[in-house]
Parts: sequence; C-alpha cells; structure tokens
Amino acid sequence: AQSVTQLGSHVSVSEGALVLLRCNYSSSVPPYLFWYVQYPNQGLQLLLKYTSAATLVKGINGFEAEFKKSETSFHLTKPSAHMSDAAEYFCAVRIRGFQKLVFGTGTRLLVSP
Amino acid sequence: GAGVSQSPSNKVTEKGKDVELRCDPISGHTALYWYRQSLGQGLEFLIYFQGNSAPDKSGLPSDRFSAERTGGSVSTLTIQRTQQEDSAVYLCASSLEGDRYEQYFGPGTRLTVT
Repeated sequence: AQSVTQLGSHVSVSEGALVLLRCNYSSSVPPYLFWYVQYPNQGLQLLLKYTSAATLVKGINGFEAEFKKSETSFHLTKPSAHMSDAAEYFCAVRIRGFQKLVFGTGTRLLVSP
Repeated sequence: GAGVSQSPSNKVTEKGKDVELRCDPISGHTALYWYRQSLGQGLEFLIYFQGNSAPDKSGLPSDRFSAERTGGSVSTLTIQRTQQEDSAVYLCASSLEGDRYEQYFGPGTRLTVT
C-alpha cells in the first residue's frame, strides 16, 4: 500500500529564509504527487502536482518541488519565506488507476518576522 | 467560476443523532470525493463517486456512514447514530475524470458531537 511521510510536524523559519518541507513516499509503482496548503478554517488548496512530466515542478506563490525517484522524495521549497506562507502543508500521493489521495500527516510552517 | 461548496459550515449535534452533510461540486466535474480530517487520524479518504459507476466505499469507517450522489452532481454524506469519535472536519472534493487531474476541495463542514 502507498504511504506518505512528512518529516517534522512543525517547521519554523524567519521571513526571507529558505523554506524546505520534506515528503517521502512509498509506492510500488510511480505515483502522482501533490502538495496542498491549508490556511486556518479553510479547505485544501493545490500548490503543485507531479504527473510524470518534468521532475521539477513549479507551483503557485513561488513554491516548487522536485521529484526524485531514487530517493522516493518530493520535497517542497521556496527560496524566500513570506509571513503569508504560514499555514499547514500536506503532501499527498495518488496511485495511477486509483482515485483516492493518501495524505501525509502535515507540516505546520511558522514564519517569524 | 464557483468552487466546491459545502453546507453547513459547522454542525453541532448530540450523540446518537443523525446528521447530513452536503457537497456541491464544481460544475462539469464528474468525480466527487469525501475525506475526513481529524486530530487523531489526519486526512482520510471516505468515499469516491465517478459518473454512473458504483462508488468506492472502501474508506467508510463503519456502516453508520453512507453517502449518495444525486443526478451526478450534489452529494450528501449521512452519519447515523453519531458518536463522539465522529467529530471532525468533513471535506468534499471534485475533479475531472482521470487520475492525473487534481482534486479541488471545499471549505469543509466541522462536525462536533457532544
């Protein structure tokens, strides 16, 4: 069965610093991978997705992620954090031919001035 | 255009009562999903509808949970004889057909069982 591991339930950065949120997946076949962001009392908003085209995927709000098959990773990065980036971030995997998303446990990003 | 909408946004109910949660998907989206987000279990898949195919109910936690989708559009998630462990945020999502398409999520219904 597929699974997703997000290292670090909380990540703290200063405004302007690099953001790195880690995601590793387990799957017997190449999956589709997604990052979603959730602001307080809101639903999930898609940041970016990997569907087997380019391994470096650019998303909204300056975020990007790189699919590394050898490391089974799909880490999310942003060169310079902004206060408005403070939210919870979820990595998710979807196996080809199956419809449900399997989510990681989430990482809360805290941004300090 | 309009996104996925859910109602009510908040629901407080007494243990043992039945509740219905509603989801209106994005127009033209043939796939509809329900997920549950709780502190203890994180984000869990509940059920998936695609067109006229039989729904995938593999994530429903018990037979107290059921869902239907009428006319290929609006969906209702029903929880019978609610228990305190049913307290969670119930999220609905919709997408175009095909597993490479992303799912768009609604704002959720926060259910509190007292």
